Amino acid sequence: AQSVTQLDSQVPVFEEAPVELRCNYSSSVSVYLFWYVQYPNQGLQLLLKYLSGSTLVESINGFEAEFNKSQTSFHLRKPSVHISDTAEYFCAVQRSSNTGKLIFGQGTTLQVKP
Amino acid sequence: EAGVAQSPRYKIIEKRQSVAFWCNPISGHATLYWYQQILGQGPKLLIQFQNNGVVDDSQLPKDRFSAERLKGVDSTLKIQPAKLEDSAVYLCASSGRESGGELFFGEGSRLTVL
Repeated sequence: AQSVTQLDSQVPVFEEAPVELRCNYSSSVSVYLFWYVQYPNQGLQLLLKYLSGSTLVESINGFEAEFNKSQTSFHLRKPSVHISDTAEYFCAVQRSSNTGKLIFGQGTTLQVKP
Repeated sequence: EAGVAQSPRYKIIEKRQSVAFWCNPISGHATLYWYQQILGQGPKLLIQFQNNGVVDDSQLPKDRFSAERLKGVDSTLKIQPAKLEDSAVYLCASSGRESGGELFFGEGSRLTVL
């Protein structure tokens, strides 16, 4: 079975500061890894994903995440956040041999302050 | 391209009443998922359909929850009778071969049980 742990429930940060949202996973089989974002009163949107290849993956709005197999981590980073990045962020894992059935972490609320 | 449609967006009922949620996935997506997201937690898979067949319903409380996808397109999730702990957002997602297995989520149906 797979599980995901997001180490911080809330992360307050000032605008233009760097941020890291931490995610660790547990699995006995190879997995795909995802970060989803949920803005207030909206559905989940895929932010970025790691399937294979380069361990560093990037999103179109400046976020990046690095797959670290030895540490079973997939931390999300952004060098300079904006007010509009305020949202709930979910890390998720999926067995690489099975399409579907995402297992989510508990979520991290990113609060960007002016 | 139209996204995943869900209705109603909000529903308030009293305990022991029944409620039904509807989901229309993205056209052509064979796989449909229902997730339950309790406040402060990550989404939890309730049931996964492949066309009109159930792939995984291991976490569906079958004594009160039921779901169907009779024609392999839209789906209905029903709760009868509802309990206080069923208060949550019910998320529908779909995926298909053309999406590379990526899940697309609807905006969710927020249920409050009083």
